[in-house]
Amino acid sequence: GQQVMQIPQYQHVQEGEDFTTYCNSSTTLSNIQWYKQRPGGHPVFLIQLVKSGEVKKQKRLTFQFGEAKKNSSLHITATQTTDVGTYFCAATSGGGADGLTFGKGTHLIIQP
Amino acid sequence: DAEITQSPRHKITETGRQVTLACHQTWNHNNMFWYRQDLGHGLRLIHYSYGVQDTNKGEVSDGYSVSRSNTEDLPLTLESAASSQTSVYFCASSRGISSGNTIYFGEGSWLTVV
Repeated sequence: GQQVMQIPQYQHVQEGEDFTTYCNSSTTLSNIQWYKQRPGGHPVFLIQLVKSGEVKKQKRLTFQFGEAKKNSSLHITATQTTDVGTYFCAATSGGGADGLTFGKGTHLIIQP
Repeated sequence: DAEITQSPRHKITETGRQVTLACHQTWNHNNMFWYRQDLGHGLRLIHYSYGVQDTNKGEVSDGYSVSRSNTEDLPLTLESAASSQTSVYFCASSRGISSGNTIYFGEGSWLTVV
């Protein structure tokens, strides 16, 4: 089945530093979604990217979808303690026939 | 407000027992999913449904079953619980994957099999 590889698994940053997580697939993706899960919580939808080369911003978060639609990234500028959690990418290869496949997530740990 | 609820939120059961986790959504979504989350594995799809009477196996379906008799509910049954099924289980729903709609997750059910 389709797989999405997400790196890094863990990322420690000092508060105020930037953070980036990457998601890669060997197959072309129809779309990619990003979710955030706070410690002890449930995944919450952040955004969906559909178009090749698409870039979307949400305040300090920037999401990119690669030109070949095989990779994506989430970049957080000037991290804050509220950014702590696990960030997941999730993708479908088309038609929704197999639900979403999630990456293993990147755990963001912020040191004040 | 529309929502998705799971019950029980926490359960301890014994090996070999049958366990059912309930999931109920009030958004009238066609699509419903069950995932399990384990350290090092992320979220893995167990079963999913695209509508009433439709069920499909996901990546880790062995030992689990679901049924979809109405739009609102997708109960997950562990036929004979095993220690390897100790996990956090998330139910989710969406109006439609292919149209790019948001997936909403329930708050999770923590299951311990002893």
